[in-house]
Amino acid sequence: SQQGEEDPQALSIQEGENATMNCSYKTSINNLQWYRQNSGRGLVHLILIRSNEREKHSGRLRVTLDTSKKSSSLLITASRAADTASYFCATDERGYSTLTFGKGTMLLVSP
Amino acid sequence: NAGVTQTPKFRVLKTGQSMTLLCAQDMNHEYMYWYRQDPGMGLRLIHYSVGEGTTAKGEVPDGYNVSRLKKQNFLLGLESAAPSQTSVYFCASSAQLYEQYFGPGTRLTVT
Repeated sequence: SQQGEEDPQALSIQEGENATMNCSYKTSINNLQWYRQNSGRGLVHLILIRSNEREKHSGRLRVTLDTSKKSSSLLITASRAADTASYFCATDERGYSTLTFGKGTMLLVSP
Repeated sequence: NAGVTQTPKFRVLKTGQSMTLLCAQDMNHEYMYWYRQDPGMGLRLIHYSVGEGTTAKGEVPDGYNVSRLKKQNFLLGLESAAPSQTSVYFCASSAQLYEQYFGPGTRLTVT
């Protein structure tokens, strides 16, 4: 069963606006990762946040993690048309050797 | 470095035919994975390997077999293809449970 669930399923914004995507999960984790997938391509790793971290930044990306609520958010600031893609969260569930991916949020950034 | 490569990129099979998908990585990663991606279902793990000579079942292993005879290669076999196996298949590799590097995908259609 899939642990991470992204919200919303789809998001449409204008260039320059911020985009926020959320991920909820069910069990204790070691870390949570976010990936991007451009149409028809493989996933690309964006950022990893460990369970003892609350916030992490990478360029225009900001990720937060709230382990008490079992949720994470990905904020993309000053969105560009090139940010149009699907975004997936993936959790590293304690005791397992694999990641569990959510179903993703489709982001459309219009010029 | 080529990263993760997958062969072939596209394939059409008739029901009952067999085929092997090849994944190769040049990053000396221990962990390798096979996923399938279907519309609205996100990524689902088929099989994975935590080292040369080891394999394990993922979330949806039925109808597939795998082998990891060499560290750099991970093969996914379909012995008797079914229309339900029409999907996009992604291979990934990682150094333990950190960021996964994905291949470009194989689009398989079973008629």
